[in-house]
Amino acid sequence: DSGVTQTPKHLITATGQRVTLRCSPRSGDLSVYWYQQSLDQGLQFLIHYYNGEERAKGNILERFSAQQFPDLHSELNLSSLELGDSALYFCASSVNSLRNQPQHFGDGTRLSIL
Amino acid sequence: EDKVVQSPLSLVVHEGDTVTLNCSYEVTNFRSLLWYKQEKKAPTFLFMLTSSGIEKKSGRLSSILDKKELSSILNITATQTGDSAIYLCAVVSNTGTASKLTFGTGTRLQVTL
Repeated sequence: DSGVTQTPKHLITATGQRVTLRCSPRSGDLSVYWYQQSLDQGLQFLIHYYNGEERAKGNILERFSAQQFPDLHSELNLSSLELGDSALYFCASSVNSLRNQPQHFGDGTRLSIL
Repeated sequence: EDKVVQSPLSLVVHEGDTVTLNCSYEVTNFRSLLWYKQEKKAPTFLFMLTSSGIEKKSGRLSSILDKKELSSILNITATQTGDSAIYLCAVVSNTGTASKLTFGTGTRLQVTL
C-alpha cells in the first residue's frame, strides 16, 4: 500500500458528461501529480501541484482542470468527456518537488466513457 | 521535447533466467532516473539513480545509470513468476522552478514456468 488514496476506483459515464477524480496524498507529502495511462500512449504527465499551487503542466487538455486544496488532497475535473478520454488516471505524491524524492502512486481510477 | 525509450517492448523468459531491460533518454536538465514495476494496479517504486548514485541493488534486482550513454539498465537475476509485470523507466528533468517526470512506454516481462 503506497499510502496514496484515489476514489472512485472505476467510473463509467457517457460522452459529454463531467466527472471529478479525487486523490489523497501520503501523509506528509506536499506534491501531487496526475497522470493519464491509456493502452497506446503509456503514462502521460498531466499536471503537478505543490502545497496548493500549480507547478507544472504536461499534456493536459483544456477540458481538464485540477486543484489542490488546503488539506493537500487534489481533484482532477474532466469535462465534455469524449470516448478517447477512457483511460486509467493515476495520482502520485512526493514529499517535495521531485528533488531526489521518488513519487508514490495510488491505485488509479479507471474511467470508461460509453 | 523530452523522450524516454525502453527496449525491448516485451519479452517472455523461463523462470530462473536473467533478463536485462534497457532505457535510453534525451532530456534537458537531467536530474535522476527511476524504475517502477507495474503489475495490475499502481506503479511501485524500485530504484532512483542520480549522478551521485549510479548503481543500485536490491535482492535479485539491480540497476546501473550510464550518464555518458544517457541510458540505464535494469537487471533481474533468477527470475520468478512474480516478476511478471510492466517495468517502467522515468526520467526527472528540471523545468525552471519545477521538475518533470517523463515515462517510457514500458517493457512487458512475462516469466513462465
